[in-house]
Amino acid sequence: NAGVMQNPRHLVRRRGQEARLRCSPMKGHSHVYWYRQLPEEGLKFMVYLQKENIIDESGMPKERFSAEFPKEGPSILRIQQVVRGDSAAYFCASSPPDAGTGGLGELFFGEGSRLTVL
Amino acid sequence: KQEVTQIPAALSVPEGENLVLNCSFTDSAIYNLQWFRQDPGKGLTSLLLIQSSQREQTSGRLNASLDKSSGRSTLYIAASQPGDSATYLCAVTGGYKLSFGAGTTVTVRA
Repeated sequence: NAGVMQNPRHLVRRRGQEARLRCSPMKGHSHVYWYRQLPEEGLKFMVYLQKENIIDESGMPKERFSAEFPKEGPSILRIQQVVRGDSAAYFCASSPPDAGTGGLGELFFGEGSRLTVL
Repeated sequence: KQEVTQIPAALSVPEGENLVLNCSFTDSAIYNLQWFRQDPGKGLTSLLLIQSSQREQTSGRLNASLDKSSGRSTLYIAASQPGDSATYLCAVTGGYKLSFGAGTTVTVRA
């Protein structure tokens, strides 16, 4: 059973370009979460998605950032017109459907995509 | 808003010593607490998940306790090894969002 797969692992963009980060959840998982880890900071929640639905995007910057999880294919985190402050590690996580305990079950993380903006 | 604090920020011990990592959180209304390990430039590996109704979980040399009422969790690593060197992150769940601490960076000296 493959884990959470993220690509690319490393991405370099110049200011003003677009960055697209992809995440394939673990098999059987229907919930996807994106977190951002800025240098010397902890991980911060960005967005929570289920298939074809954005459940909570309260952690996403209002401009330039968007996320989707289509019916087919991976989840995509898109950053338009990147700036140097977007340089960070972006982690995707997935979890199985709620087992009835309330909230999410164990969360499994991918290896991350490290974005560098020149 | 949930605040998660991990103390100490860094820890260096000789091989064989037991490790004690602390995590505190401000809002006791949590569903579960999860400990992760992160190696430099890598992703997060889940170590232990403690449901809010549980008081501890054990896996091999790892033991994690949870005291929800006081907002504390402790991760114990017995007989540390150089391979245990990593950053250890504590995260609490209130619903579907994880709130992370900044981590404790552990160095085990051979």
